[in-house]
Amino acid sequence: EADIYQTPRYLVIGTGKKITLECSQTMGHDKMYWYQQDPGMELHLIHYSYGVNSTEKGDLSSESTVSRIRTEHFPLTLESARPSHTSQYLCASSEFKRFPVEQFFGPGTRLTVL
Amino acid sequence: GQQLNQSPQSMFIQEGEDVSMNCTSSSIFNTWLWYKQDPGEGPVLLIALYKAGELTSNGRLTAQFGITRKDSFLNISASIPSDVGIYFCAGHYSGGSNYKLTFGKGTLLTVNP
Repeated sequence: EADIYQTPRYLVIGTGKKITLECSQTMGHDKMYWYQQDPGMELHLIHYSYGVNSTEKGDLSSESTVSRIRTEHFPLTLESARPSHTSQYLCASSEFKRFPVEQFFGPGTRLTVL
Repeated sequence: GQQLNQSPQSMFIQEGEDVSMNCTSSSIFNTWLWYKQDPGEGPVLLIALYKAGELTSNGRLTAQFGITRKDSFLNISASIPSDVGIYFCAGHYSGGSNYKLTFGKGTLLTVNP
């Protein structure tokens, strides 16, 4: 089981602010993902990474950007937050060798943009 | 892209009852996963299925990988209040070069004590 952490858990900010949502995992997993989820709704993949210096856009278009400079760290940044960005953001990771498909999720960051 | 139809959308049951939910797809998958999400938390992996026809249990939970590879079922026996949450199925097709999952829309389970 992966240990995967997200901070902050809750964030309320004003429109136009720049924010970074942090995601870290301690299992050495090479693959990491960001999902966006409205309450009680399905998960939408917005970014993923298969390793250091590798990032790809997901199935749902997002104004956020990501970086992967270290294996364990996969932060998500919004340059100028808007109310439409209000949602829950979930980070996940999976390993390459044994079970590459099984994704393990962090607790999520609930973002509210006023 | 691939889509999953998960049903039912929601269920209201009495404690002690058994529960069944399923996911179907118009295309085949090589892996089926079942997750549970508690309010305000991230999904937790319950069961992973890798082989058509496979039946796997995890305590009171049992999941099956459909023989056609286009469906999967999750059963919960003797439900208890802590079973409350949203259950998601997810499928993966290994024909591509990615490890992305396709998620169902979830089944909201409410258990009345």
